[in-house]
Amino acid sequence: GENVEQHPSTLSVQEGDSAVIKCTYSDSASNYFPWYKQELGKGPQLIIDIRSNVGEKKDQRIAVTLNKTAKHFSLHITETQPEDSAVYFCAASNGGNRDDKIIFGKGTRLHILP
Amino acid sequence: DTEVTQTPKHLVMGMTNKKSLKCEQHMGHRAMYWYKQKAKKPPELMFVYSYEKLSINESVPSRFSPECPNSSLLNLHLHALQPEDSALYLCASSQGTAQGSYNEQFFGPGTRLTVL
Repeated sequence: GENVEQHPSTLSVQEGDSAVIKCTYSDSASNYFPWYKQELGKGPQLIIDIRSNVGEKKDQRIAVTLNKTAKHFSLHITETQPEDSAVYFCAASNGGNRDDKIIFGKGTRLHILP
Repeated sequence: DTEVTQTPKHLVMGMTNKKSLKCEQHMGHRAMYWYKQKAKKPPELMFVYSYEKLSINESVPSRFSPECPNSSLLNLHLHALQPEDSALYLCASSQGTAQGSYNEQFFGPGTRLTVL
């Protein structure tokens, strides 16, 4: 089955700097890669996703890149702000199959330092 | 309405109690999910309903019993739980199709369950 590795587990970044979180996946059939942000006491919130027919996607300060050959995908947050502090989960899924599941990475705790 | 709601927000129960968690969405989604999340861990899938039918049960103990009364509602009935079942229980939904497209899952805020 699919396995998603996520690094680092903790990341501290000065406010205004960029943050990068990296994930790898094992199943070459995976074709959908969402990123979730989870703040304390809340459920995960989908912040951006990318499908396997696209190499990069950007939404304001957030971007995601995908390298299908290397089975790597990354989240980039630019101009970080205090409200970016949260736990971020990457995930992979083989969308389109009846028994499809989203497989999560272990999460990255992002601290934005003032 | 682009929201998944869950009630209650917090629940404390004894090991002999019977309780239920509720989840509701009005996005017209046809796939709904229950996840369990322990502290500092990712969500773990428990059950998936597709078109009101149970399609995935991740070998969850029978003390957890899901129910999908209609396309907007999902319940999780709890009975004879153990202290190690204490966790955040998350509901999610996605568009779902006859082919089972489980992309773009939207999560509710969760129910914080404590079993004494």
